[in-house]
Amino acid sequence: NAGVMQNPRHLVRRRGQEARLRCSPMKGHSHVYWYRQLPEEGLKFMVYLQKENIIDESGMPKERFSAEFPKEGPSILRIQQVVRGDSAAYFCASSPSGTNEQYFGPGTRLTVT
Amino acid sequence: GEDVEQSLFLSVREGDSSVINCTYTDSSSTYLYWYKQEPGAGLQLLTYIFSNMDMKQDQRLTVLLNKKDKHLSLRIADTQTGDSAIYFCAESFFRDDKIIFGKGTRLHILP
Repeated sequence: NAGVMQNPRHLVRRRGQEARLRCSPMKGHSHVYWYRQLPEEGLKFMVYLQKENIIDESGMPKERFSAEFPKEGPSILRIQQVVRGDSAAYFCASSPSGTNEQYFGPGTRLTVT
Repeated sequence: GEDVEQSLFLSVREGDSSVINCTYTDSSSTYLYWYKQEPGAGLQLLTYIFSNMDMKQDQRLTVLLNKKDKHLSLRIADTQTGDSAIYFCAESFFRDDKIIFGKGTRLHILP
């Protein structure tokens, strides 16, 4: 059973461009969580999704950030008009329904130049 | 409020025990976790404990919970070079809930 997959692993964007980060949950997992890790910091929750539904987006910045988890395909975290402060590692985690155990992907390291 | 605090660095000699400490502020936490992050990698769930437990042991790992003081610790027996990593203490309140992380303790192993 493959683990949580994230791609790309590294992404470089210039200021003002768009960044798209993808996450494929583990097989059988219907819940996806996105977290952001700034340098020398812990992970901060961004958003929690189930298929076609955003359940909790209390950690998402109000502007430029959006997330989706369509019926088919991976979950996407989209950052429009990136700024230097968006440079971070973005981690996706997945879990089956009704558990507290989240399994993390390897992360996407976004660098904004 | 939600806050998880832990010291940033710990150095331990190979073969000794490592004890990583953590405090949390919200007494309604239900699950308390320890995650391990190796350089350039994602987070690996090491273990977690329910808030109604005092202790949990799993091979070289022992988790102790003092709910009165809101203090959680992770003891790694016979520390090996492969244990060198950042260890995150974390909490959540119910199933299918977001996890709140501390800033991590960087464990350095001395030869």
